[in-house]
Amino acid sequence: DTEVTQTPKHLVMGMTNKKSLKCEQHMGHRAMYWYKQKAKKPPELMFVYSYEKLSINESVPSRFSPECPNSSLLNLHLHALQPEDSALYLCASSHSERWGLAGDTGELFFGEGSRLTVL
Amino acid sequence: AQKITQTQPGMFVQEKEAVTLDCTYDTSDPSYGLFWYKQPSSGEMIFLIYQGSYDQQNATEGRYSLNFQKARKSANLVISASQLGDSAMYFCAMRPRSGAGSYQLTFGKGTKLSVIP
Repeated sequence: DTEVTQTPKHLVMGMTNKKSLKCEQHMGHRAMYWYKQKAKKPPELMFVYSYEKLSINESVPSRFSPECPNSSLLNLHLHALQPEDSALYLCASSHSERWGLAGDTGELFFGEGSRLTVL
Repeated sequence: AQKITQTQPGMFVQEKEAVTLDCTYDTSDPSYGLFWYKQPSSGEMIFLIYQGSYDQQNATEGRYSLNFQKARKSANLVISASQLGDSAMYFCAMRPRSGAGSYQLTFGKGTKLSVIP
C-alpha cells in the first residue's frame, strides 16, 4: 500500500465548478509535490512545497491553487478548469526539496493519483 | 538541464524470462541519482530502484537490477523472471543531488512492458 494517500481517486467536474484534490503523507517528509500526467506521457511538475511553503510554481495557470495546511497535507484547489485540464494528478513527497541529507536517496514517493475529467 | 531517453516505446517478454529496459541520460551535474518507477494502469507511480552516480556497485532490489554504465550514461533496468503483474509502464528518471535544480525529477517518456503468458 502506498504511504501517500490521495482523494478522490476519480473526479468529474464542470468548467464552472470548484473542487479540491487532497493528499496526505505520514512519513515525516518535508517536501511535497503536485504533478500532472496526460495519457501516455510522463508526469509534469506543477508545484513544490518545502516546509509548508510554496517553493516552486512551474508557471501553472491560476485556476490551479495549491495549499499546504500542515506538513502532512497538501491540497490542490480547482476552479474554472478547461477540458484540456483533464488528466491524472499525482501527489508525491520526499525527505526534502534539497537533496543531500545522509541516508536520503532522494526518491519521491507517489500516491495513486486523482483522475480528473473536466466536462 | 537534464534529459532522459527511453528508446523503447513498447516491449514484450515471455513470462519467466528476463527483460532489459533501456535508459540513457544527459546531465552536467556532477552528482545525481537515477530512479526507475513502475506505473500500472491504475495510475500509481511505484518506486522500484535507485542508483547514485558515485555508487561503485550496480543496485539490486529483488528481481530488479540496474545496469549502470556511467561512462556511457546509461542506466538500464533488468527485470528477472518476469511475472504477469510486471505488465505496466516503466519510467526512468533522474534527479540532481545538489544545486538549484535538485528538486527536479526528470522523467523519460516511458516504456510499456507487456508480459505474455
